[in-house]
Amino acid sequence: ETGVTQTPRHLVMGMTNKKSLKCEQHLGHNAMYWYKQSAKKPLELMFVYNFKEQTENNSVPSRFSPECPNSSHLFLHLHTLQPEDSALYLCASSKRVVNTEAFFGQGTRLTVV
Amino acid sequence: KNEVEQSPQNLTAQEGEFITINCSYSVGISALHWLQQHPGGGIVSLFMLSSGKKKHGRLIATINIQEKHSSLHITASHPRDSAVYICAVEGVQTSGSRLTFGEGTQLTVNP
Repeated sequence: ETGVTQTPRHLVMGMTNKKSLKCEQHLGHNAMYWYKQSAKKPLELMFVYNFKEQTENNSVPSRFSPECPNSSHLFLHLHTLQPEDSALYLCASSKRVVNTEAFFGQGTRLTVV
Repeated sequence: KNEVEQSPQNLTAQEGEFITINCSYSVGISALHWLQQHPGGGIVSLFMLSSGKKKHGRLIATINIQEKHSSLHITASHPRDSAVYICAVEGVQTSGSRLTFGEGTQLTVNP
């Protein structure tokens, strides 16, 4: 248990659906992240939030829309996804954005059909 | 070529063996992380280091900044050590945290 909780753990959605992934931490961390892990590929950073402000968007398509209402919660809103978006989506948090240990959630296994 | 290269990609060992996983990187870094990912996806941070050596239980991580190389050692390996071990580097920058990840090393420890 890392203190970072992601829901749901598994999600199957059609290409026309709209769904949201949720991440929650009560570790007092100020930075939160979304990562994507596709099969046989390294983890890729998607978004970084620091004190609720988005500080990085790693050229992520607009069909992925993040939201950070406060330092403890992070959402990833999904709409009109493609089958190639099927992957493990991992949330992480850290005290600050540099030189600090990251705590990861268990991930959401997303399948787009 | 990935900025972070790990070797080997796959490693099978017998219980009790000493294991070494290597990580080489090609960029300037402020820190290097070793992570462990178990089946099911959850990732646990093992070490964050920027110089020298760190030890935690049976795990030892070393880094040579001049050679841009780090190693993760597991002493007296156990089947529960079976997991994917991921090396990630944190670039030298002042805003945002851009971790660049290696592809991971799949370790299987047989009883």
